[in-house]
Amino acid sequence: GAVVSQHPSRVICKSGTSVKIECRSLDFQATTMFWYRQFPKKSLMLMATSNEGSKATYEQGVEKDKFLINHASLTLSTLTVTSAHPEDSSFYICSASRPDNTGELFFGEGSRLTVL
Amino acid sequence: ELKVEQNPLFLSMQEGKNYTIYCNYSTTSDRLYWYRQDPGKSLESLFVLLSNGAVKQEGRLMASLDTKARLSTLHITAAVHDLSATYFCAVDPRAQKLVFGQGTRLTINP
Repeated sequence: GAVVSQHPSRVICKSGTSVKIECRSLDFQATTMFWYRQFPKKSLMLMATSNEGSKATYEQGVEKDKFLINHASLTLSTLTVTSAHPEDSSFYICSASRPDNTGELFFGEGSRLTVL
Repeated sequence: ELKVEQNPLFLSMQEGKNYTIYCNYSTTSDRLYWYRQDPGKSLESLFVLLSNGAVKQEGRLMASLDTKARLSTLHITAAVHDLSATYFCAVDPRAQKLVFGQGTRLTINP
């Protein structure tokens, strides 16, 4: 079964509104989670690293004021797309790894955002 | 800047045939991942390769890693239609911050 879960899986919103996407680790604690973005028929691009109890680390070119990340607990990270614009429409995927040194990373189911 | 390149990007093949997808990367990394993605879905982990010379097999898929050549391969044996998907390799240069290849869209025809 899934070890990393995202919600919602699909969301449609109007331009100018904000949308929150949740990423949960289901059976382990994750001090670090990662947020990726994927455009249609394209690869995944790392947006930011979510750190429990501290500020997220954003990749170059990612607007931190637009994509707010909060890692309030060891099992939950949230990505809020603020003042959404049609160009923000994309597939957003989070990932986390168990603290077991296997190196395996687990991805959430993904959240498809459509901004009208 | 780390670059990860897959080859080919598109592959159409017949059931029963064998083929290999290649993944080249530009800087040192001892950890490489292979994922499968079905349309509209997230990533499914296939293999984690952690050391030079690592070889892993699961069903009709086998992955290998040559860190000296900075090359990983994903070999498909006797392909079946169910293996149609997009396959991504990803390299881990900075503590789980993966850099992905472009993806290889594999179509297997009956």
